[in-house]
Amino acid sequence: DIQMTQSPSSLSASVGDKVTITCQASQDTSNYLNWYQQKPGKAPKLLIYDASNLQTGVPSRFSGSGSGTDFTFSISSLQPEDFATYYCQQFANLPYTFGQGTKLEIK
Amino acid sequence: QVQLQESGPGLVKPSETLSLTCTVSGGPVSSTSSYWSWIRQPPGKGLEWISYIYYNSRTGYNPSLKSRVATSVDTSKNQFSLKLTSVTAADTAVYYCARYYCTGGSCAFDYWGQGTLVTVSS
Repeated sequence: DIQMTQSPSSLSASVGDKVTITCQASQDTSNYLNWYQQKPGKAPKLLIYDASNLQTGVPSRFSGSGSGTDFTFSISSLQPEDFATYYCQQFANLPYTFGQGTKLEIK
Repeated sequence: QVQLQESGPGLVKPSETLSLTCTVSGGPVSSTSSYWSWIRQPPGKGLEWISYIYYNSRTGYNPSLKSRVATSVDTSKNQFSLKLTSVTAADTAVYYCARYYCTGGSCAFDYWGQGTLVTVSS
């Protein structure tokens, strides 16, 4: 299995801040990497696909980059509704695997 | 707009079989770009992909669960189902059904059900 390691596991930030989350794969996943947002009691929501493509309807303050084993997810200016848990997910190989999640909390 | 809705018992006894159904609306399960998936999330923990099924019944399973999992699809009802046998407390989780949509080499879980909590307890 490809192991996905996110950093940090939790993060405190303020409205208006820029935040960055990293995701490292245990082996090359090319750009087969997606990012999801999950709010408490809700299903995950797709934000970024293919490492850097914004899903339709997702605000442009969200972005992603990277390829191979190292990926980055950023929010350029945090909004109150962005406080949630974020997951990366690889689809290079079965089984599809997710990172352990990064919980973004209000400072 | 595709919508998915899980249904099934919220409580299952240890050693018994967990059975869930996902009803899809807003699009056919026979879509050639869609792989219908199950994903679970134990309380307070991360996401674990369980399986997918294609409209022609081609399947993919997580090796960690493969010996206990079976999935099926019913195109006439626009539903797909999950069976997980010999459950233990470790199988207690919110179970999500989701559409895994693939186009041009790009794939992602783009639509999800709301999730259903299944508790394994006697």
